[in-house]
Amino acid sequence: TQLLEQSPQFLSIQEGENLTVYCNSSSVFSSLQWYRQEPGEGPVLLVTVVTGGEVKKLKRLTFQFGDARKDSSLHITAAQPGDTGLYLCAGASGSGGYQKVTFGTGTKLQVIP
Amino acid sequence: GAGVSQSPRYKVAKRGQDVALRCDPISGHVSLFWYQQALGQGPEFLTYFQNEAQLDKSGLPSDRFFAERPEGSVSTLKIQRTQQEDSAVYLCASSARRGKTGETQYFGPGTRLLVL
Repeated sequence: TQLLEQSPQFLSIQEGENLTVYCNSSSVFSSLQWYRQEPGEGPVLLVTVVTGGEVKKLKRLTFQFGDARKDSSLHITAAQPGDTGLYLCAGASGSGGYQKVTFGTGTKLQVIP
Repeated sequence: GAGVSQSPRYKVAKRGQDVALRCDPISGHVSLFWYQQALGQGPEFLTYFQNEAQLDKSGLPSDRFFAERPEGSVSTLKIQRTQQEDSAVYLCASSARRGKTGETQYFGPGTRLLVL
């Protein structure tokens, strides 16, 4: 069973602070995705990283895929209340002719105005 | 166009009852996934359909869980003789093609099931 551990599990910060969420696994993935989920809604894809060492930026969010394609990080600069939500990493492996996605344990972020 | 829709949004069942959860994927999407999500946790894979074919049901927790997609569009997840441990949010997702690397899965809002 592939396991993706996220840390921290919970994070409560003031508006304007920076934060980093980590996603670690002992397994290699063909791609790594990050989602944000708000209460009562399904996860929404933020980014997909495919190449080991890849860095992608989405406004104030920076995503990095580890060189060995086993881990990833999400860094948020100057957090805003709208960033509040459950952040999920998800590793994809392509066995059986389709992309099977394994989700991480989740990081619940609260940004206080 | 419309996104993935699920119904009902909330379901309360007495232990032992059967329930049926419906998923309407994005029109034309080939791949359809079901996930189970406990409160505050990440979704866990249940089953995968490619058109009408159920290619992977390795995540279904027991033989009380059954899923179908008879015409390759709408899917139903059925849980027989519900137990309290079945209480969770059930998410459906669809993707355009055969779920190749990097392909986007679009999630519905989920059905929150509470078994009393």
